[in-house]
Amino acid sequence: AQKITQTQPGMFVQEKEAVTLDCTYDTSDQSYGLFWYKQPSSGEMIFLIYQGSYDEQNATEGRYSLNFQKARKSANLVISASQLGDSAMYFCAMRERQSNTGKLIFGQGTTLQVKP
Amino acid sequence: DAGVIQSPRHEVTEMGQEVTLRCKPISGHDYLFWYRQTMMRGLELLIYFNNNVPIDDSGMPEDRFSAKMPNASFSTLKIQPSEPRDSAVYFCASKSQETNYGYTFGSGTRLTVV
Repeated sequence: AQKITQTQPGMFVQEKEAVTLDCTYDTSDQSYGLFWYKQPSSGEMIFLIYQGSYDEQNATEGRYSLNFQKARKSANLVISASQLGDSAMYFCAMRERQSNTGKLIFGQGTTLQVKP
Repeated sequence: DAGVIQSPRHEVTEMGQEVTLRCKPISGHDYLFWYRQTMMRGLELLIYFNNNVPIDDSGMPEDRFSAKMPNASFSTLKIQPSEPRDSAVYFCASKSQETNYGYTFGSGTRLTVV
């Protein structure tokens, strides 16, 4: 069964607008962690933001915020004021058992293109 | 800190040859992960180590793949013999158990088997 689902293979956004990248997950654990990574065309994996399942507030990091809806098992990434440099592949990932280190399971990714 | 260092960045080899990918994790990190990225399968975990001990190798495709971590500062992923379907980008990542989220990835090795 797919643990992490990203239903948008590709997205377009106009520069300076906000965009939401969808991510839903499946786990029976009560304790888990959710991640978003950015992979530009150069290929490196860049960590963007983290949300713990017990965190009461949505995580924010600069222009990135994570819209965490636990009951719906969704962890959407919101990028505000898009920039041309945001064009990249974005991956949602989950680690089960928040309190212990374990493997990250990745979604299939969403390609974002920012239009000037 | 130099980050996670992988070598080589690119590798082209002929089918049947042995390939060795190398990774130096961030100093002090307790965990090391090997991932493979392909268009068809996305990012898959192959194996991970904790304190140099393999913990989960269920993602290793078959016996042609092997991974070692002889010390805290070095790991290898070996493919012998290599096949064209092994062509992919291989990432190494490391993490300290002191944090919940500090997974740091290397730049990856792009492997092409012809």
